[in-house]
Amino acid sequence: QKEVEQDPGPLSVPEGAIVSLNCTYSNSAFQYFMWYRQYSRKGPELLMYTYSSGNKEDGRFTAQVDKSSKYISLFIRDSQPSDSATYLCAMELQGAQKLVFGQGTRLTINP
Amino acid sequence: GAVVSQHPSRVICKSGTSVKIECRSLDFQATTMFWYRQFPKQSLMLMATSNEGSKATYEQGVEKDKFLINHASLTLSTLTVTSAHPEDSSFYICSARSGASVSANYGYTFGSGTRLTVV
Repeated sequence: QKEVEQDPGPLSVPEGAIVSLNCTYSNSAFQYFMWYRQYSRKGPELLMYTYSSGNKEDGRFTAQVDKSSKYISLFIRDSQPSDSATYLCAMELQGAQKLVFGQGTRLTINP
Repeated sequence: GAVVSQHPSRVICKSGTSVKIECRSLDFQATTMFWYRQFPKQSLMLMATSNEGSKATYEQGVEKDKFLINHASLTLSTLTVTSAHPEDSSFYICSARSGASVSANYGYTFGSGTRLTVV
């Protein structure tokens, strides 16, 4: 079993739809949770990070962490074609200085 | 914001030659740098972690004599793929970090990646 599981997709939705991306994990000691967006042949860019459980909102993006279920989500509202990319979840143990990534979900927003 | 510059973005080399990839933090001092490898449609695989002025720590299964990492200053790390072979062809990405916790300053900042093709 991988430490972090993420459905690779691909996921295709129409423009304007709400997108839900998810990851599950097995190590209950993870404390930091991040979502990265990666365009083709580019490095990942940080979208959001949260510490421990809870919700965090930034514009059209909302990140949720449920530590009791070992489940994290990223919601994208009013999705745009420019949101088409691969979304990677990542997690870190406190003090570990090492990210553990999910496989990434390839998302396409159709105009 | 934090910027990490990675060069070259693309390189083609002949089998048996060595290739050097540079990773620079432009506006912050990177106490720790990371090198990843990414295969098509797959996630990032951590190869090694390096701290300025000390030897890199390699992940299990990564050949340290093949993938030489140098972190000579707080703003520069290099990855040298020695005696490259076609199976080394991949997308290599660096990441730099400042501070002891993710919430400090910039967290992890990634370079734009280098696509290596060995022919």
